[in-house]
Amino acid sequence: NAGVTQTPKFQVLKTGQSMTLQCAQDMNHNSMYWYRQDPGMGLRLIYYSASEGTTDKGEVPNGYNVSRLNKREFSLRLESAAPSQTSVYFCASSVGQDSKAFFGQGTRLTVV
Amino acid sequence: GEDVEQSLFLSVREGDSSVINCTYTDSSSTYLYWYKQEPGAGLQLLTYIFSNMDMKQDQRLTVLLNKKDKHLSLRIADTQTGDSAIYFCAESNNNDMRFGAGTRLTVKP
Repeated sequence: NAGVTQTPKFQVLKTGQSMTLQCAQDMNHNSMYWYRQDPGMGLRLIYYSASEGTTDKGEVPNGYNVSRLNKREFSLRLESAAPSQTSVYFCASSVGQDSKAFFGQGTRLTVV
Repeated sequence: GEDVEQSLFLSVREGDSSVINCTYTDSSSTYLYWYKQEPGAGLQLLTYIFSNMDMKQDQRLTVLLNKKDKHLSLRIADTQTGDSAIYFCAESNNNDMRFGAGTRLTVKP
């Protein structure tokens, strides 16, 4: 049971570089989410996809883009990384928006 | 590996107190969190506690931490139907964050 898989687990970027965080789920879930977690602040929603083919902004979308490639995969892209984007990023999925969310293991991103 | 466990379901009557329990294994945890997931787009941070604290109270919410037993609880006083949701326990250290499976709280009128 893979559940929600995120890659990479760790990444260091220089300011201005771009990268894509990958997320895949094998539970046939409709909804997928990207969060960032900063110490003492809890999770903040960046973007979500309620169903395949749709994406919507969350609480902190600036500086990010997402793609719901298919039902399984939801990627998060940083076009021009900034030190303020240093964080731990979590992908999650759920059957629907009123269902329990399952989380990936997180990606620790450092922007120098 | 490190783990966070919580019961999956809890049902209470409106007006009663709810207590949601969580255990964790990582002795290096620095923050412990409670999140609420309602129908909609994401999780809501309810409260968090530093690992060197025993208790934190915020209006109807009381968090108790027993660091020796690695046991965290969330008490909701005067539970209302609007408190029906899934509650996630989570713990983090400097390197990682782990979530419990979530407890579905059902509040009956």
